[in-house]
Parts: sequence; structure tokens; C-alpha cells
Amino acid sequence: NAGVTQTPKFQVLKTGQSMTLQCAQDMNHNSMYWYRQDPGMGLRLIYYSASEGTTDKGEVPNGYNVSRLNKREFSLRLESAAPSQTSVYFCASSAIRGVEAFFGQGTRLTVV
Amino acid sequence: AQTVTQSQPEMSVQEAETVTLSCTYDTSESNYYLFWYKQPPSRQMILVIRQEAYKQQNATENRFSVNFQKAAKSFSLKISDSQLGDTAMYFCAFTSYTGANSKLTFGKGITLSVRP
Repeated sequence: NAGVTQTPKFQVLKTGQSMTLQCAQDMNHNSMYWYRQDPGMGLRLIYYSASEGTTDKGEVPNGYNVSRLNKREFSLRLESAAPSQTSVYFCASSAIRGVEAFFGQGTRLTVV
Repeated sequence: AQTVTQSQPEMSVQEAETVTLSCTYDTSESNYYLFWYKQPPSRQMILVIRQEAYKQQNATENRFSVNFQKAAKSFSLKISDSQLGDTAMYFCAFTSYTGANSKLTFGKGITLSVRP
């Protein structure tokens, strides 16, 4: 029972580098999300996907792109990393009615 | 747009005592869920308790209970018989379910420390 799996768990990037954070869920959920967590800011929504084939911007989408590859997978891409993107990133999924969101273990990303 | 406010950044409680964490929210929706999530130092997000807005009865899960005041848009979490393992960050969260999108909105969180 894997739930939500995020990779990698830790990453250090240099400014200007690109990378993709991977997320997969095995609960047949329609909705998937990417959040970032910063001290004193709580969890802020970057992008979400209400269903396969759809994506929408959240509160802090600038500098990020997403792909809902299929129902299971939702990736987050940083095209040109900046130090302001240093954060902990969480992927989550929920059934369409939002009864409960399940979270991955998080990715700690540092941009130097 | 919905907002969730947790105005207390930190709290501390003695082991075995009771503590209440506050949360207020703002929404124009009539159908929604409210949640409290716990994030221990392991970073894992753990659902503590859930409340459906249409239910008048306050949710309870063992030592955790909520005081849901719909008219006041208030949703506080009470932890009874606090344990050292309750030390964590706690997030209040909101989602509506009137449409296909079940977007989850979080407050900024509160750091709870349980003293031995």
C-alpha cells in the first residue's frame, strides 16, 4: 500500500538548472496537487489537477510547470531554478469530493 | 476564494493537560469539509480529524475533538491528555465539494510543544 510516492526526497540544484519532481499515487484518485512549504507560510498550492488531462494554477505557480501524465502521475518541473524556490515540496491526492488528501513524504529542494 | 487563518504561531502545553488550537476560515460555500493535519518532525502529513460542514455534531477521534462553529466560521482542535508524541506542527485546512475541484487550502500552521 504505497499511497503517494514522491521522488526524489532530497535535491540540491544550482541556480538556473532544471529538474522534475515526480509523483505517483495508486489510490485511483482523480485530484492531485503540488504544494510548497516554507517556514511561517504553511502549505501553499502551486498547481492542481482536478482530473486526468486538466491542470490549473494555484496560489504560487510562477516558475513552475506541471504535467498530468495519466491518472496516476503528476509531475512538477522547475525550468530554471532560483534560490527563492528552495523549499519542501509535497505532492498530494484526493478523491473528487475531497474527503481526505493523502500526502507524499515531501522533497527538500535547495537551490544554491 | 476561501482563506484559512491560524493566528497562534506557537503553543506549549504540559504533558497530560488539555490544549486548544484555534482556526478560523472564510468562504461563501455552504458545503465543505474542514480538517486538522499533524506534521511531526518526520515531515509526514497525517490527518488528525475531519468535520463535514452539514453535520452539527462535533467530530471526535480518541483524544482529539473539534469545536465547530459554522456561523462564526471557527474550527478549533482540542487535544486532551496531551502526550509527548503530540509535539508537532498542526495545520487547519478547508475544502469545498460543490464542484469537480476539491482544492485543499491550508492555514499557516501552529507549532505545538508538549513539555514533560
